[in-house]
Amino acid sequence: GQQLNQSPQSMFIQEGEDVSMNCTSSSIFNTWLWYKQDPGEGPVLLIALYKAGELTSNGRLTAQFGITRKDSFLNISASIPSDVGIYFCAGNDYKLSFGAGTTVTVRA
Amino acid sequence: NAGVTQTPKFRVLKTGQSMTLLCAQDMNHEYMYWYRQDPGMGLRLIHYSVGEGTTAKGEVPDGYNVSRLKKQNFLLGLESAAPSQTSVYFCASNHDGGSNQPQHFGDGTRLSIL
Repeated sequence: GQQLNQSPQSMFIQEGEDVSMNCTSSSIFNTWLWYKQDPGEGPVLLIALYKAGELTSNGRLTAQFGITRKDSFLNISASIPSDVGIYFCAGNDYKLSFGAGTTVTVRA
Repeated sequence: NAGVTQTPKFRVLKTGQSMTLLCAQDMNHEYMYWYRQDPGMGLRLIHYSVGEGTTAKGEVPDGYNVSRLKKQNFLLGLESAAPSQTSVYFCASNHDGGSNQPQHFGDGTRLSIL
């Protein structure tokens, strides 16, 4: 599979803070996806990006599809305790390639 | 809506035993996928299917076999389990595998091989 580099690997954030994570690839993707995984559950789709340069929001989440089609970032604004979990980026070129995940822990 | 359902949710096996993991989807999706998730490595594709009666190898297919006899079901088999196959297994599906078709995931099967 194609190599996706996701950073940071983990983060502790204060409730109310904004947080950002990103993903880079050596290859071009047609679609970038961001998933969240809660403990004991499967990944759930948060945001899908279909066009280079696209900026899309879903509530407090904002994600962008990089112009080069080789990167994407996800921002979470005003963190709350339920934002805890593992966030995965994925590049889709008819098959998904996943980043290793960013583990988010919120300090109340 | 059930979506993607995986059974069993947990299983412990001894080395050399065999077992089959079942994935069922009720969304009439053509494409189905099996992944394994290991710490620090994200999800890696084992096998996938583009339709009933078809299967194909993914990134890490060795030690696994799959079958897609019915459109709604995708089975993952371990013929002779090894400790290296201890992992969390996820099934996913999407409509037609196109790059604009996000995959929907089940809740996973946690498998331990002793």
